[in-house]
Amino acid sequence: KAGVTQTPRYLIKTRGQQVTLSCSPISGHRSVSWYQQTPGQGLQFLFEYFSETQRNKGNFPGRFSGRQFSNSRSEMNVSTLELGDSALYLCASSLAPGEVGYTFGSGTRLTVV
Amino acid sequence: GQQLNQSPQSMFIQEGEDVSMNCTSSSIFNTWLWYKQDPGEGPVLLIALYKAGELTSNGRLTAQFGITRKDSFLNISASIPSDVGIYFCAGGQYNNNDMRFGAGTRLTVKP
Repeated sequence: KAGVTQTPRYLIKTRGQQVTLSCSPISGHRSVSWYQQTPGQGLQFLFEYFSETQRNKGNFPGRFSGRQFSNSRSEMNVSTLELGDSALYLCASSLAPGEVGYTFGSGTRLTVV
Repeated sequence: GQQLNQSPQSMFIQEGEDVSMNCTSSSIFNTWLWYKQDPGEGPVLLIALYKAGELTSNGRLTAQFGITRKDSFLNISASIPSDVGIYFCAGGQYNNNDMRFGAGTRLTVKP
């Protein structure tokens, strides 16, 4: 079965712009989580969605938001981009919350210039 | 930020050698997981541990869930070049997917 698909793979944006990243989970998976990965901070949890509802949120400013659609696909949005937002954004899916050990996508590499 | 201390940060070993890395935490976790990440890709789950004291193997990989539930280790036996990558530990709770990750151990295997 197809894995977790993230688009786009690479993105370059200018400070102040906004960006939307997309994640399609494994077919049948209804829980989607987002992580930010940077060399300095490692993997940090952004948020988790299940049944179109945000269940959990990490310690990120309100510029970071997300949503989930009825088909379980998820998007995350970052507004007013800052240089420090440059990172690999990873999406992971699982059948349901609490099923740890989920599957990651290949990520979207965002560069803010 | 991260709550897990993973060590070592990096390892340079000869092909055929065994490798050991570990993670410790100030918090108790219900699950411990080990992931491997190749360049340009997302982490791939290697082993999941669900019970204190549990010892689980996946081929040449063996991981253990510490009895205090605050630590875990991963061993790789007879390393091969394709073992190169970054290995992450992660601690999780049963009812949410807010896992905490270690900073990673970068493994280099010299042929």
